[in-house]
Amino acid sequence: SQQGEEDPQALSIQEGENATMNCSYKTSINNLQWYRQNSGRGLVHLILIRSNEREKHSGRLRVTLDTSKKSSSLLITASRAADTASYFCAGGNYGGATNKLIFGTGTLLAVQP
Amino acid sequence: DTGVSQNPRHKITKRGQNVTFRCDPISEHNRLYWYRQTLGQGPEFLTYFQNEAQLEKSRLLSDRFSAERPKGSFSTLEIQRTEQGDSAMYLCASSLRTGGPKDEKLFFGSGTQLSVL
Repeated sequence: SQQGEEDPQALSIQEGENATMNCSYKTSINNLQWYRQNSGRGLVHLILIRSNEREKHSGRLRVTLDTSKKSSSLLITASRAADTASYFCAGGNYGGATNKLIFGTGTLLAVQP
Repeated sequence: DTGVSQNPRHKITKRGQNVTFRCDPISEHNRLYWYRQTLGQGPEFLTYFQNEAQLEKSRLLSDRFSAERPKGSFSTLEIQRTEQGDSAMYLCASSLRTGGPKDEKLFFGSGTQLSVL
C-alpha cells in the first residue's frame, strides 16, 4: 500500500520558476525522504529529513516536515529543464517487525525551456 | 560502475511461464530491497534482506513469488506461473545500515520491466 498522496499529481512550470510539491503520509515515520525518477529509470535519492527536524536545505532543494500534520513539502528553486521528472516522497518506517520506505503516488514535474 | 545493477532490463513472457530477475547491489551494502512499480504509481514494497536473511515480506508477495540472497551478495526474484497482473517494473535497491535507521537511504537500480502477454 502507498504511504500517502502527493499534491499536485502533475505540475508544469517555466524554466527559472520555483516548483513546490506536497506530500501527506499516514503512519508514524522515523524520516521522510524525497526521490526523483526519470522516465523508465530507477529512483535517485534527493534529500532526507529526520522526524525531529523541521526544515532542511540541499543546493536548490528545500524540504519541510510537519509531523503534527503528517505532511512534507519539497521546493525546487530556479528550476531547469533537466529537473523534469517524477518526484516521490517516502516515509521511513522502522520499528518492531517493519523496516522499509513506503512511497507516495508521486508528482510529475514538467519544466518548459 | 559501482551502482546497483539489475538484469535483464526488459523481459517479455507468456502467461504461465516462470521468470527470474537478478540484482547486484552496491558491494558494501548489507540491506537489499525489492519493490514493484506500475505505471503512474509509486514503488510498492515487496521484501527486504539484511545480509542473507529475508526479514520482511509484503502481503503483495504471493506464493508465486520467491526471493533469495545467497551469501548476502546478489539477489534473485522469481515469479512462477506469471499472470498478466504481474506486468510491472521490478526495482531493486540497496542500503548500508550501520547503526540506527534515521539516516538510511536507498540506492536503486534501473529496474526490470516485465510484460506478461
